[in-house]
Amino acid sequence: DQQVKQNSPSLSVQEGRISILNCDYTNSMFDYFLWYKKYPAEGPTFLISISSIKDKNEDGRFTVFLNKSAKHLSLHIVPSQPGDSAVYFCAASNYNQGGKLIFGQGTELSVKP
Amino acid sequence: EPEVTQTPSHQVTQMGQEVILRCVPISNHLYFYWYRQILGQKVEFLVSFYNNEISEKSEIFDDQFSVERPDGSNFTLKIRSTKLEDSAMYFCATKAPTSYYQETQYFGPGTRLLVL
Repeated sequence: DQQVKQNSPSLSVQEGRISILNCDYTNSMFDYFLWYKKYPAEGPTFLISISSIKDKNEDGRFTVFLNKSAKHLSLHIVPSQPGDSAVYFCAASNYNQGGKLIFGQGTELSVKP
Repeated sequence: EPEVTQTPSHQVTQMGQEVILRCVPISNHLYFYWYRQILGQKVEFLVSFYNNEISEKSEIFDDQFSVERPDGSNFTLKIRSTKLEDSAMYFCATKAPTSYYQETQYFGPGTRLLVL
């Protein structure tokens, strides 16, 4: 079941630059999308979300873009900081399906000083 | 800031034994979920729980699994007879009552279960 895909297992970025993490989905019924950050042996920490009625949501250094026609979302982190180094998961849900989250495989971001 | 808490943080058990994983949700949250992550794999949905009953469960959530909210605060996941393949991190997540705009699920720190 590959309804949510993160095709890049890892990404390395220089401190101060932009990090762009990508996520694709196949189920057009998804209506809510989230990004979580995860450290080893810890639970996912919520970062930012977007409803399908929007195409952009911004919170500080984090911006999520949603392209429904392409079934694609991305997370932009500007400027990237070494503390941003972690695994980032995108997740999607559908309100009428109880809101369970379907996760991507994750992208490990490394921000180098 | 309110947090979801889980106990124990680690559990080692013998195959065939029963385990109970506990979660204390954020106080005003009404939707509860269990997920698991086998090492190196995706986070997978197990079950959702609302109004004292299961809303949805995945194929993984077979008859060996059960959930309950015994005292109105704790939310538990029981595995009756553990198998080697149940070894994973188990995450509890909770969510406030939904509006038209979806509410976010907040995750606990997880319980690492190792079945020997």
